[in-house]
Amino acid sequence: QLVLTQSPSASASLGASVKLTCTLTSGHISYAIAWHQHQPEKGPRYLLKVSSDGRHTKGDGIPDRFSGSSSGVERYLTISSLQSEDEADYYCQTWDTGMIFGGGTKLTVL
Amino acid sequence: EVRLVQSGAEVKKSGDSLKISCKGSGYSFTMYWIAWVRQTPGKGLEWMGIIYPGDSDTRYSPSFQGQVTISADKSINTAYLQWSSLKASDSAMYYCARGQLVDHWGQGTLVTVSS
Repeated sequence: QLVLTQSPSASASLGASVKLTCTLTSGHISYAIAWHQHQPEKGPRYLLKVSSDGRHTKGDGIPDRFSGSSSGVERYLTISSLQSEDEADYYCQTWDTGMIFGGGTKLTVL
Repeated sequence: EVRLVQSGAEVKKSGDSLKISCKGSGYSFTMYWIAWVRQTPGKGLEWMGIIYPGDSDTRYSPSFQGQVTISADKSINTAYLQWSSLKASDSAMYYCARGQLVDHWGQGTLVTVSS
């Protein structure tokens, strides 16, 4: 069964970079995932899709500070030049026989 | 511009029925799956089910099978999520989203059910 695993929390300083990780269960190495940002009191926002070969496709209006990459069963979201508004929950998501979400990573900008 | 616009917040009582909606625009509605996702306080995002408006093919999460009904009216580019008998535990924010690999979200519909 496909499971997406995320660290519950992450933190980084204003202006720095952070790399969030989403790990697929072994045997699902070919799966693409989507990253979504969920700010407090707002709806989720699609950021980008990351394929198994590391290519990523961003959503409309997503700043260049957001990028995606892959390595094996890991899919990454890198946010550079962190801003205060980047403080949010970040979810990875994919599809198998149903829609699957990771548990989310709460990002704190120090 | 792709948009998913959901119906407004609802306040209901246990046992009431409810149908909330999600209207798509800016794309070919019949060619993309529409999913429904629940978020409850302190919990993450939970997938409820998904429908392909082109042929009404519908899949449900085992956790929500039999608890809700998902439908779509492609003549008005609208998908629906409905309950026949609400419970207090159905109080949550509900989002519609486009695609099996989601690339657009609705703004959310808050459902509050009092006992």
